[in-house]
Amino acid sequence: AQSVTQPDIHITVSEGASLELRCNYSYGATPYLFWYVQSPGQGLQLLLKYFSGDTLVQGIKGFEAEFKRSQSSFNLRKPSVHWSDAAEYFCAVTGNTPLVFGKGTRLSVIA
Amino acid sequence: NAGVTQTPKFQVLKTGQSMTLQCAQDMNHEYMSWYRQDPGMGLRLIHYSVGAGITDQGEVPNGYNVSRSTTEDFPLRLLSAAPSQTSVYFCASDSGRNTEAFFGQGTRLTVV
Repeated sequence: AQSVTQPDIHITVSEGASLELRCNYSYGATPYLFWYVQSPGQGLQLLLKYFSGDTLVQGIKGFEAEFKRSQSSFNLRKPSVHWSDAAEYFCAVTGNTPLVFGKGTRLSVIA
Repeated sequence: NAGVTQTPKFQVLKTGQSMTLQCAQDMNHEYMSWYRQDPGMGLRLIHYSVGAGITDQGEVPNGYNVSRSTTEDFPLRLLSAAPSQTSVYFCASDSGRNTEAFFGQGTRLTVV
């Protein structure tokens, strides 16, 4: 069965600092990977997705993620965090079943 | 372009009451799913459907029923609400397993 692990429950970064959120997945075949963001009280917004091809994918709001098959990872990065990036971030994987989500990483941004 | 619409946005139920959470999509997507979100647990799949007339159980199906009579609608029924069903519920739709899923804004349900 597929699964997703987000090792960091909560991360705090300073505004302007770089960010990396970790995601490890378990799936027997070629995975389709996603990062979603959820602002407080809101629904989920897709940041980026990986289906195939270039392992470095660009998303919205200046985010990018790198697929590393050898490490079963799909880490999310941003070079300079803005206060508005404070939210909860979910990594998800699918193959031939509905999305399976990690438990999320809550990002706090301090001045 | 409405996307995925969930109603109601908020609901308070008493233990033992029944209710239906509504979900409708206008994108002609074949696949629809229901998730519940609890603190520290991420989103967990309750039920899903791969087309009209076809439904299947997810990770946490107990206490919930679904049906899919049309492509557009995928209601979630709580037959006898329990406090453990207090959660935020999200409906999602997509056009295939390897495509982006679109989510509704969620229903916050409290069972007292």
